[in-house]
Amino acid sequence: AQSVTQLGSHVSVSEGALVLLRCNYSSSVPPYLFWYVQYPNQGLQLLLKYTSAATLVKGINGFEAEFKKSETSFHLTKPSAHMSDAAEYFCAVSVGTGRRALTFGSGTRLQVQP
Amino acid sequence: DAGITQSPRHKVTETGTPVTLRCHQTENHRYMYWYRQDPGHGLRLIHYSYGVKDTDKGEVSDGYSVSRSKTEDFLLTLESATSSQTSVYFCAIRDSGTGPYEQYFGPGTRLTVT
Repeated sequence: AQSVTQLGSHVSVSEGALVLLRCNYSSSVPPYLFWYVQYPNQGLQLLLKYTSAATLVKGINGFEAEFKKSETSFHLTKPSAHMSDAAEYFCAVSVGTGRRALTFGSGTRLQVQP
Repeated sequence: DAGITQSPRHKVTETGTPVTLRCHQTENHRYMYWYRQDPGHGLRLIHYSYGVKDTDKGEVSDGYSVSRSKTEDFLLTLESATSSQTSVYFCAIRDSGTGPYEQYFGPGTRLTVT
């Protein structure tokens, strides 16, 4: 069975600072990995996905994530935070065949200070 | 945005009453999922469907049932609502195939059981 751990339920950064949201996964087979963002009172929107084509994945809104197999990590970064980045971020993993349901981490709420 | 709607968007009900939530898609995707979102738990899979009349359980299926009589509709029923089922419910869809197809999420239904 797969699992996802997101370190830090709350992260606060200043506007213009680096954003780093951590995600570690556990899987016995090569995983597909995703980052989703949720703005208040909305559904989840896909930021980016890892599909094994490239270890550095670029997503929307200037976010990117690097897959590191040796560290079983898929951390999300953005060089310069913007006020509009304030939201909750979820890392998710999907493995195997069949249902391909997502297993989510518990989420990290990003706060951006002016 | 993917064509996914959920109804109702908000509902307050009393303990012991039956409740049905509806997910409707216009994408003709084969796979449909119901998740619940609770603080500190991320999203957890309740049930999923891999075709009309084909459904299966997820990790937190106790107290829930589902039905899918048409490709576009996936219903989630709480036979006798309990306070522990107070949550935000999300429907998601995914296209068929073996690739890492991401899931697209609906706007959610906030359910309060009093």
